Amino acid sequence: GAGVSQSPRYKVAKRGQDVALRCDPISGHVSLFWYQQALGQGPEFLTYFQNEAQLDKSGLPSDRFFAERPEGSVSTLKIQRTQQEDSAVYLCASSLGEGYQETQYFGPGTRLLVL
Amino acid sequence: AQSVTQLGSHVSVSEGALVLLRCNYSSSVPPYLFWYVQYPNQGLQLLLKYTSAATLVKGINGFEAEFKKSETSFHLTKPSAHMSDAAEYFCAVTQGTGAQKLVFGQGTRLTINP
Repeated sequence: GAGVSQSPRYKVAKRGQDVALRCDPISGHVSLFWYQQALGQGPEFLTYFQNEAQLDKSGLPSDRFFAERPEGSVSTLKIQRTQQEDSAVYLCASSLGEGYQETQYFGPGTRLLVL
Repeated sequence: AQSVTQLGSHVSVSEGALVLLRCNYSSSVPPYLFWYVQYPNQGLQLLLKYTSAATLVKGINGFEAEFKKSETSFHLTKPSAHMSDAAEYFCAVTQGTGAQKLVFGQGTRLTINP
């Protein structure tokens, strides 16, 4: 079956622009995660949804970052007034259930470059 | 809070040689541990995971890892490296309380020499 998909794959934004990154999780997956991966680093947690409920947003770096999953499926990560330090790969992952041992399946990521 | 340390940001081995990628974790409660592999311009793919069953875990592509509580380690090994193993490898941990998020190490880039 289809895996996690993300769009766009690449995004170039001018500093100050708003961007929206989309994630389509595996159908039926309850849990959805967003991670940020800076160049040469491991991914860092941003936020977590269980169905449409955002249960953890402790990793969002500022109030310019906003995520939603209104119908418990597709999710959008929005970054307002982008800054150069926002340049990174944004990874989305989904898992079937809610347990801590659940495998998270990752999408290919959106590479954001802010000029 | 849990954390992961991967010793060695770059590891280089010859084709056919043993692969050993090191991971140490810090967790105040029993952890769940994962190894992921990332090929260029791709997302992360699960290699294997430890979830408190057998301490020796076998994964895909001939990789395995052993959970050693006394050493707080979860090193990844493969007896014989293949050129296709060249990639970035990440160790990650969740713990059975609080958030379900993965906490990743900084990664180890594995290079295979012909």
